[in-house]
Amino acid sequence: DARVTQTPRHKVTEMGQEVTMRCQPILGHNTVFWYRQTMMQGLELLAYFRNRAPLDDSGMPKDRFSAEMPDATLATLKIQPSEPRDSAVYFCASGLVLGTGTYEQYFGPGTRLTVT
Amino acid sequence: AQKVTQAQTEISVVEKEDVTLDCVYETRDTTYYLFWYKQPPSGELVFLIRRNSFDEQNEISGRYSWNFQKSTSSFNFTITASQVVDSAVYFCALENDYKLSFGAGTTVTVRA
Repeated sequence: DARVTQTPRHKVTEMGQEVTMRCQPILGHNTVFWYRQTMMQGLELLAYFRNRAPLDDSGMPKDRFSAEMPDATLATLKIQPSEPRDSAVYFCASGLVLGTGTYEQYFGPGTRLTVT
Repeated sequence: AQKVTQAQTEISVVEKEDVTLDCVYETRDTTYYLFWYKQPPSGELVFLIRRNSFDEQNEISGRYSWNFQKSTSSFNFTITASQVVDSAVYFCALENDYKLSFGAGTTVTVRA
């Protein structure tokens, strides 16, 4: 049963510290997404990659957030420096995009980040 | 602009009752996809269905059914004979260029 995995599942850190969240997409999937969920904003897209290339990161605060895919099995989302307003659940999702547009987007379990 | 509205914030029912979740969307695209996801108390997002805008047939999967009406831009979701395990937040989403725009979610509580 293929799943998207995310580490860590929970992270508590102090303001100003660097935070790195990792995601392993489902093997064979060519598209990876990062979403953030908060009570106020709900679920919002931060960035997404196709075949490891960043396609859209317009939802991400550029000054402190960065997203990369060093290889096909790993996506990272980094916050430096972290702020209390970054406290949220960060979800990674992966999907297989075919020419026909047929695909399903599967989510990982999320990383619950608390910045104090 | 893409927009998904789930007007019902919370719904509470007694086990075995049917519950219908409303979803209304806005898009200028002629081809689009609609999704429903379930988020149980454990927090993960579980994919339920993806529907192409050209396919207006209703779909049934076990106790779940979906009613897609393009004329009213709605994609409603019904749980028949609800069970306690159905208690969760349900999200409707609209896809644009493979990116999902989510509604605010409807919290369903099924009481025994």
